[in-house]
Amino acid sequence: QSALTQPPSASGSPGQSVSISCTGTSSDVGGFNYVSWYQHHPGKAPKLMIYEVSKRPSGVPDRFSGSKSGNTASLTVSGLQAEDEAEYYCSSHAGNNNFVVLGGGTKLTVL
Amino acid sequence: QVQLQQSGPGLVKPSQTLSLTCAISGDSVSSKSAAWNWIRQSPSRGLEWLGRTYYRSKWYYDYALSVQSRLIINADTSKNQFSLQLNSVTPEDTAVYFCAAGRFGSFDSWGQGTLVTVSS
Repeated sequence: QSALTQPPSASGSPGQSVSISCTGTSSDVGGFNYVSWYQHHPGKAPKLMIYEVSKRPSGVPDRFSGSKSGNTASLTVSGLQAEDEAEYYCSSHAGNNNFVVLGGGTKLTVL
Repeated sequence: QVQLQQSGPGLVKPSQTLSLTCAISGDSVSSKSAAWNWIRQSPSRGLEWLGRTYYRSKWYYDYALSVQSRLIINADTSKNQFSLQLNSVTPEDTAVYFCAAGRFGSFDSWGQGTLVTVSS
């Protein structure tokens, strides 16, 4: 069982927006501004899409945005495109000698 | 731009030791601003962070609670690489293993991944 809770699936039509949640505790998501999001296509290495809750690495489209409220972080994908279909994982820095915790992943389907 | 190149066997027998190496280019394993991680991915468990090493005037090694009794991560400054040794493996350890660079749960460079199957 993953430390962070994500919905197993999400979906949207091309052009729509979809949000994926990531719920933790005050010892991880709620306690630090170190939430990251990864896009994972099968057979490839995961790709960092968001770090420090809402920052985008160079080259990541601004259609991807992140936010946090309390113990729950969210990834929003606007203007859905076919290539956005992938598994998305959240991660967080954690205290109490857990160091790094990850979510179970959300399969995003573009209808 | 940091690049990570993994090497190691893809098949390990149960009860034996899984060993992988990650060679670093574009940075130093002893950089005081970097951390070097091992992560695995399996259909049943998703992504799982296993552990990391980093240098801040001395070497630090942090391990996930789920594997800390079986996992050793080492850094080799002469070869600018780090390694993973997972002891007493079972079929549950079958996964794609990745090395990754990054701190505070943010991994911005990844190795290519190694599928490791535990089977006799």
